[in-house]
Amino acid sequence: KQEVTQIPAALSVPEGENLVLNCSFTDSAIYNLQWFRQDPGKGLTSLLLIQSSQREQTSGRLNASLDKSSGRSTLYIAASQPGDSATYLCAPRLNTDKLIFGTGTRLQVFP
Amino acid sequence: EAGVVQSPRYKIIEKKQPVAFWCNPISGHNTLYWYLQNLGQGPELLIRYENEEAVDDSQLPKDRFSAERLKGVDSTLKIQPAELGDSAVYLCASSSRDSYNEQFFGPGTRLTVL
Repeated sequence: KQEVTQIPAALSVPEGENLVLNCSFTDSAIYNLQWFRQDPGKGLTSLLLIQSSQREQTSGRLNASLDKSSGRSTLYIAASQPGDSATYLCAPRLNTDKLIFGTGTRLQVFP
Repeated sequence: EAGVVQSPRYKIIEKKQPVAFWCNPISGHNTLYWYLQNLGQGPELLIRYENEEAVDDSQLPKDRFSAERLKGVDSTLKIQPAELGDSAVYLCASSSRDSYNEQFFGPGTRLTVL
């Protein structure tokens, strides 16, 4: 059974810092992995999708890396801003097309 | 491009009452998903449709939950009768093989059972 762990569970930082959010998963037989953000009371917004054959994917200030063999993915957020405050969820997708979610990292960026 | 649409956004009912949630996926997305999200947890898959066929409903509590996707577009998720433990957010998502099955989520329906 795929289990997904996200560390840290919560993070509070001043704006401008570069951040690292970690995700580990137990079953490395994944098809791809998505990172999402979720604002309070809202649905999930897809940030990045990284294929199992890729090492990293970038979108603006966000960069996701994937080490499939070791069951790890990392989301880097450069020059954090208060608007980045949200919960970040990682979800590896199994070959059965099922996303398995972690419990997320709650990020607060203060001015 | 319009995103995934869900209604209602909020629903408050008394236990033992029925409730239904509606989802309209992104146009052209053949795969539709219903997820359940409890407070402080990640979403958990309830059911997945490929067009009008339910291909994974192993996590759907079939004694009280049902779903349909007639004509392979809109979908409805129903609970009858609702229990206190069903209070949660119900999320709908859709995807297309043309974009590596990247999943896009709707805003969710927050259900409160009293």
